[in-house]
Amino acid sequence: DQQVKQNSPSLSVQEGRISILNCDYTNSMFDYFLWYKKYPAEGPTFLISISSIKDKNEDGRFTVFLNKSAKHLSLHIVPSQPGDSAVYFCAASAVGGGSEKLVFGKGTKLTVNP
Amino acid sequence: NAGVMQNPRHLVRRRGQEARLRCSPMKGHSHVYWYRQLPEEGLKFMVYLQKENIIDESGMPKERFSAEFPKEGPSILRIQQVVRGDSAAYFCASKQTKDEQYFGPGTRLTVT
Repeated sequence: DQQVKQNSPSLSVQEGRISILNCDYTNSMFDYFLWYKKYPAEGPTFLISISSIKDKNEDGRFTVFLNKSAKHLSLHIVPSQPGDSAVYFCAASAVGGGSEKLVFGKGTKLTVNP
Repeated sequence: NAGVMQNPRHLVRRRGQEARLRCSPMKGHSHVYWYRQLPEEGLKFMVYLQKENIIDESGMPKERFSAEFPKEGPSILRIQQVVRGDSAAYFCASKQTKDEQYFGPGTRLTVT
C-alpha cells in the first residue's frame, strides 16, 4: 500500500535544461509535501516544501507545483546542473495528524549530463 | 551549528547480537524521528519521540525494537537479537515544532 508514488526510477537531462520530477499520492489527509535530495551514503537533505493551501512554491532554481485535485506534485529544477545529480525523494505528511511523520516515495535518480 | 549527528556510521553485528544506534538532534530540537531504508526503497517511518516520551511508534516492529529519548543524552534505537532482515540504513531526523525534519547521515547496519 504505497501512499506516495514516484513512478520514474530514473531521469537523465542535459546541463542547463529543465528537470521535472513527478510524485503522486493517494491519501487525501496529506496536507504538507516536501522534496529531499540524497547523495549516496548521506542522509536526505531538505530542498523545498509546499502546504496544501498553495499550488506553487519557489526557491531559487527549485519550484514545486501542487495539484490537489489530481493528487500530484512535481519538482522543477531549472537550469539543471551536474551537481544536482542525486536521488530525489518526495514526502508527504498530515500536519494535523499528530506525529507529522513523513511518508516517502521510492525516489527518482536524477542524472544531469555536462 | 552542528546538524543531526548519528553514530556509529557503520555497524556490523552477527545474528543474535544487539545493535544500538545513537542520534543527537540539532541544537534546540526536541522532536526526533527514526526511519529505516531498505535497499532500493524509500525511507519508512519507525518511531517519533519527544524528550522522555514516545509519541508515535506505529512503524516499529512489535518485537526486538525499542527506542528512547532521555532527558539528557542522545536518542537510542535498540535492536535486540538482530536478524539478516534488519540490515538497512537507519536515519534519524529532528525538528523544532513547525520546521521541516532535518536528517542525520544515517547508520548502516549489516547483520552477518
